[in-house]
Amino acid sequence: AQSVTQPDIHITVSEGASLELRCNYSYGATPYLFWYVQSPGQGLQLLLKYFSGDTLVQGIKGFEAEFKRSQSSFNLRKPSVHWSDAAEYFCAVGAPTGGSYIPTFGRGTSLIVHP
Amino acid sequence: NAGVTQTPKFQVLKTGQSMTLQCAQDMNHEYMSWYRQDPGMGLRLIHYSVGAGITDQGEVPNGYNVSRSTTEDFPLRLLSAAPSQTSVYFCASSSQTGQGATGELFFGEGSRLTVL
Repeated sequence: AQSVTQPDIHITVSEGASLELRCNYSYGATPYLFWYVQSPGQGLQLLLKYFSGDTLVQGIKGFEAEFKRSQSSFNLRKPSVHWSDAAEYFCAVGAPTGGSYIPTFGRGTSLIVHP
Repeated sequence: NAGVTQTPKFQVLKTGQSMTLQCAQDMNHEYMSWYRQDPGMGLRLIHYSVGAGITDQGEVPNGYNVSRSTTEDFPLRLLSAAPSQTSVYFCASSSQTGQGATGELFFGEGSRLTVL
């Protein structure tokens, strides 16, 4: 079975600083990988996804993530954080399970942005 | 574009009461699921369905029932609510078949349930 680890529960950055949120997964083959964002009081929204091809993927809101097979990682990055990026971020892995794709989520990383 | 619609958004129950959280999607997705979100625990899968008439248990199914009589609807029932079921519940759906099916989930806005 697949699993996802987000080692950082909270991350605090200053507005304008760069950001990297870590995600490590466990799965025997190449999984489908996702990053979702949850603003306070809202549902989850897809930021970006990887399932094949170029290992650097671009998403919405200026985010990108890089799939590194050798490190089983899919870290999320943004070069310059805006105050509106303060939210909860979830990494997820989707792998075939009996013909279906049932995603497994990490526990999330809460991003705090200081002005 | 409605997407995934959950009702109610907020509900307060007393211990032992029953209720149903409704979920409907208009994207013709085969896969539907219910998650609960608790502080520090992330999203935990309660039940899921891969098509009408088919349901299965997720990570934390105890205390919850589901059914899937149509492609569009996937209600979650609490038969006898307990304080431990105080949580935020999310319904999500995805396309599981066809070119490009990856399990990308589309979420509802959530239902906040408090059990006293």
